[in-house]
Amino acid sequence: EVQLLESGGGLVQPGGSLRLSCAASGFIFSNYVMTWVRQAPGKGLERVSTITTSGDTYFADSVKGRFTISRDNSKNTLYLQMNNLRADDTAVYFCAKDGADWYFESWGPGTLVTVSS
Amino acid sequence: EIVLTQSPGTLSLSPGERATLSCRASQSVTSSYLAWYQQKPGQAPRLLIHGASSRATGIPDRFSGSGSGTDFTLTISRLEPEDFAVYYCQQYANARTFGQGTKVEI
Repeated sequence: EVQLLESGGGLVQPGGSLRLSCAASGFIFSNYVMTWVRQAPGKGLERVSTITTSGDTYFADSVKGRFTISRDNSKNTLYLQMNNLRADDTAVYFCAKDGADWYFESWGPGTLVTVSS
Repeated sequence: EIVLTQSPGTLSLSPGERATLSCRASQSVTSSYLAWYQQKPGQAPRLLIHGASSRATGIPDRFSGSGSGTDFTLTISRLEPEDFAVYYCQQYANARTFGQGTKVEI
């Protein structure tokens, strides 16, 4: 059974940094594209960042230059380093595993990031 | 970027009724690369449909997807109490974008 579990969320001041982790199990992690998707309170879903199996990356314009994504296949873990955080980064951050095509087949329960002074 | 517009914003129905949700794309979604997700309060989204009409593993057959090009539909044939939730469409033909969601409420 595929399991994804995010951690690392919390309260941070504007301009601060956080590192999110997503521990994966139940599948061959290195074989799959992985993505971070976020959801601001009461809002819809927004793809934040994707990393392919070969390490190619994508970032939404809203986070480009501030966020980095990485993966450690030896630890079956996905990361999201978030720097220079802003109030509008406040959201639940989900990690998601791609399916055979570019849809999101499995999701973690999410971790809440709150950016506030 | 392909913009997805879902309608209606809210659908008020009763258990046992049929629900029809629409997702319209600003340009053609090639290869029917469209998915539908269900999200309940406080939970992660769950994949229902991919490829416009293929049910994901474990999804009941009361959920069906149809459409092509720019117009797609999610149909729930007979609403069960657990189906009251928010539904999102997502295209993955050109980058990946979501619609704004349709809330199905009692």
